[in-house]
Amino acid sequence: NAGVTQTPKFRVLKTGQSMTLLCAQDMNHEYMYWYRQDPGMGLRLIHYSVGEGTTAKGEVPDGYNVSRLKKQNFLLGLESAAPSQTSVYFCASNRRAQNTEAFFGQGTRLTVV
Amino acid sequence: KNEVEQSPQNLTAQEGEFITINCSYSVGISALHWLQQHPGGGIVSLFMLSSGKKKHGRLIATINIQEKHSSLHITASHPRDSAVYICAVKGGKETSGSRLTFGEGTQLTVNP
Repeated sequence: NAGVTQTPKFRVLKTGQSMTLLCAQDMNHEYMYWYRQDPGMGLRLIHYSVGEGTTAKGEVPDGYNVSRLKKQNFLLGLESAAPSQTSVYFCASNRRAQNTEAFFGQGTRLTVV
Repeated sequence: KNEVEQSPQNLTAQEGEFITINCSYSVGISALHWLQQHPGGGIVSLFMLSSGKKKHGRLIATINIQEKHSSLHITASHPRDSAVYICAVKGGKETSGSRLTFGEGTQLTVNP
């Protein structure tokens, strides 16, 4: 049982380039999230999804887009990368129920130069 | 002021010591999570609490809803416990897709 899998694990981009981060979960979870983690700050929510075909903005959505075409996959896109988007990105998922355990991916370390 | 505050930010202990990490929050919550993050690794869930106390091996988590405070204790600490420990809370209302609000984390180093 793989849980939550993120690809890629590392990436270096030049300013202005685009890329897509993939999050896949095999637990049939309804809710999925993308967070970024920066030094000295707690994880911050970028975008989230409460089900297939639905997405919503979190705390820091600017510069990112997402899609949830299939229940098991949640994609995070950077259309035109900026150095401020250098961060570690985590995907997470959980069931719809009120209080359930959250499952996290291994993280993607992105550097924008 | 952050909604979730952890203390201390950094903690160094000797192997075998009893360790306490604290988490205070300022909002109404339905659950509190303790998470562990090893260097270069992902984040794993240790506990989810809505009241009282939970124990798993050498780890104990407690929560006081009235005081808006939780503690994570590690008994007989070991170098392999070295990690960042993160407190996160889920709001009291079922909104925003059950999002979590995170503390900044506590970096624990246990020396042999």
